[in-house]
Amino acid sequence: GQQLNQSPQSMFIQEGEDVSMNCTSSSIFNTWLWYKQDPGEGPVLLIALYKAGELTSNGRLTAQFGITRKDSFLNISASIPSDVGIYFCAGQPTGANSKLTFGKGITLSVRP
Amino acid sequence: DVKVTQSSRYLVKRTGEKVFLECVQDMDHENMFWYRQDPGLGLRLIYFSYDVKMKEKGDTPEGYSVSREKKERFSLILESASTNQTSMYLCASNVGGAYQPQHFGDGTRLSIL
Repeated sequence: GQQLNQSPQSMFIQEGEDVSMNCTSSSIFNTWLWYKQDPGEGPVLLIALYKAGELTSNGRLTAQFGITRKDSFLNISASIPSDVGIYFCAGQPTGANSKLTFGKGITLSVRP
Repeated sequence: DVKVTQSSRYLVKRTGEKVFLECVQDMDHENMFWYRQDPGLGLRLIYFSYDVKMKEKGDTPEGYSVSREKKERFSLILESASTNQTSMYLCASNVGGAYQPQHFGDGTRLSIL
C-alpha cells in the first residue's frame, strides 16, 4: 500500500529546543493526523487537521495542513524529556473510506 | 475518552497454534481495524470492519482471519501461527464515515516460537 514519507527516521535534540517534522505524499489527502507512540504503548492521537492551510495547536504542539494538501508539519516547542517517542503522520485520501495511510514514523530522543 | 482495550499486552505462542487476539471498544464505533507494526515497516493494515459481520482485507491479510459478531468486539485470528507473525498488533476504531480519526489500543506484543 501507499506510504507517507517521513524523514529522518530518528531525531536527537536537547531539552528545551524546538523541533519540526514533516510528512509528504505524492497524493492529495483530505485529512492529516499526527500520532505519538510511547515505547510499548499504542499510538495516541495528538492533532487532527481537516482543511488545507489549517494551523492547529495542542499545548506545545502545532501542526499545519499544507496548502497543496500533499504535506503536513508538526512542531514541538520547548521540548521536555517526556516528548520522547515515535511520531507518526497519517492521511486519508480524497474520496476514501476510513482507511488511513501511515508514515513510518520519526523516533524522537530528547537529551536532558 | 475513547477506550480501545486489547485483551493481552504480551503473548507467547508456538508455531502452528491457533491464536486469538481480542479487541473491545466502548464508544459504539462502527469501524474497527487490525494492524501489525514491525520495525522499519511501520503500520500495516491486516483487516478492517465497517459493521457487524462485515470484514474487508487490508494490505497484509495472508495467514489471518477476523470475526465481528458484536459491534464492540473485533477478533483477529492467526489460523496456524508462524514465526513471521511475531509482531506488535494494534487494534483501532473510529466513528463511521470518512475523515474520522482512528483511536488505538495499547497493543499486543506477540511472539511466535
